Formats: sequence, C-alpha cells, structure tokens
Amino acid sequence: QVQLVQSGAEVKKPGSSLKVSCKTSGGAFSSYSVSWLRQAPGQGLEWMGRIIPIIGRGNYAQQFQDRLTITADRSTNTVYMDLTSLRSEDTAIYFCARETRLGASENFYLDYWGQGTLVTVSS
Amino acid sequence: QSVLTQPPSVSGAPGQRVTISCTGSSSDIGAGFAVHWYVQLPGTAPKLLLYGNNNRPSGVPDRFSGSKSGTSASLAITGLQAEDEADYYCQSYGSGLNGPYVFGTGTKVTVL
Repeated sequence: QVQLVQSGAEVKKPGSSLKVSCKTSGGAFSSYSVSWLRQAPGQGLEWMGRIIPIIGRGNYAQQFQDRLTITADRSTNTVYMDLTSLRSEDTAIYFCARETRLGASENFYLDYWGQGTLVTVSS
Repeated sequence: QSVLTQPPSVSGAPGQRVTISCTGSSSDIGAGFAVHWYVQLPGTAPKLLLYGNNNRPSGVPDRFSGSKSGTSASLAITGLQAEDEADYYCQSYGSGLNGPYVFGTGTKVTVL
C-alpha cells in the first residue's frame, strides 16, 4: 500500500529557509512524479511544483520559481521541498502527493497524499 | 490561485442528494481535460474521491458520482451521510504559468 509520510511541524522566522521531507513507500518511487502543494489557513489548495525522481529535475509554478527547490533521494525514496526567503504569507499546511494520469494524457491527478506539515512563519 | 469556481457551501439532510458545481473555462475543463475530485475531512489531508470525471478509486462508495459538460463539471452525493460533511475540491489540467494543476475554490458540505 502506497504511503507518503512527511516530516513534522515547523516554526520559522521571516527570511529563513524551510526543508520538508516526504518519504514514500509501497510504490515504484522513481516512476511517479511527486508534487508539493500548500493550503493557507482557511484557503484552498495551491500547487507549488513537482519532481520526477527518475529524472531528478523539478518544475515549479511561476510564483515559486525563485524560492523553491524540490529534490529526490532515490536511495531512501524521499522527496524534499526547500523554500527560501520565508514570509508570513508562507504560513500554511504543506502536502506532498503522488501524481498519476489518465493514459498518456496530460490529465494529471494526485492519488496518494502525505499527512501534511504545518509551517508557521512568525517573528 | 484557484481558477475553477465552486459554491462555497451546500447542505442537505441525511439521505438527500446534493450536487457541487465546478466551473472552469475554455482553457481547462472546456478544452477537454478531465475533472478530478478530492474530499478533505476536517484536519486531514485531501483524498482522491473521483478521477477522470466519473471514476471511483477502490473504496469510494457509489453514492459519489461525477459528470462533465462544456466548461463545467459536477459532483453528486446521493444518500447523504453525516460522515460526508467535509470540504470538496475539483481539479483539472492547467496550461498556465501556475503549473499543470488548477483547483476549485472548494465547497463545504454540511449535513443538517
């Protein structure tokens, strides 16, 4: 059974950096993209970026291009999200999720999710 | 960041049928891309509810069904139960600078 287990809650100062891990099990790690999303308090879901572990390159939503790096460690089946220059607006729950799609189409969707990591950015 | 529009809330009594709409544009749903639905119980991570417009992952009861037409999609819940009280999000493909995922604004379902 596929599981994604994320690292624990974090409290960060403005201007600092954040690193959240997402350890996957029960699936072919390298064959699936893993996305990161976040959900600000009382808000909806926002896609941030993703990585295909077998390729090792991430792609990012434009608004995070300058601050976000997603990496994958194939030896431990773990994906990492690094977000720099934190500000109060980055306070959110961060989720990793496994991506799949319908056939060979661009109809991507997220079939398994991590439990979420609460990140609070406050001075 | 959400570009798919959902009603903020819907409600119904136990046993009733409720529907949630998801309105997009000619760039996403209207371009023929599939719609997927997620359910988020309070304090938990989202969970895949329907994929490919109307396909249920293993374990999802057939009380949940989806449809798509034009630039919109709908999720129907029949035989509403107390445990269905949650937030529901639609999602489709986005071709813009914000990446391949566009999400709905979310709908809170309340069981009266």
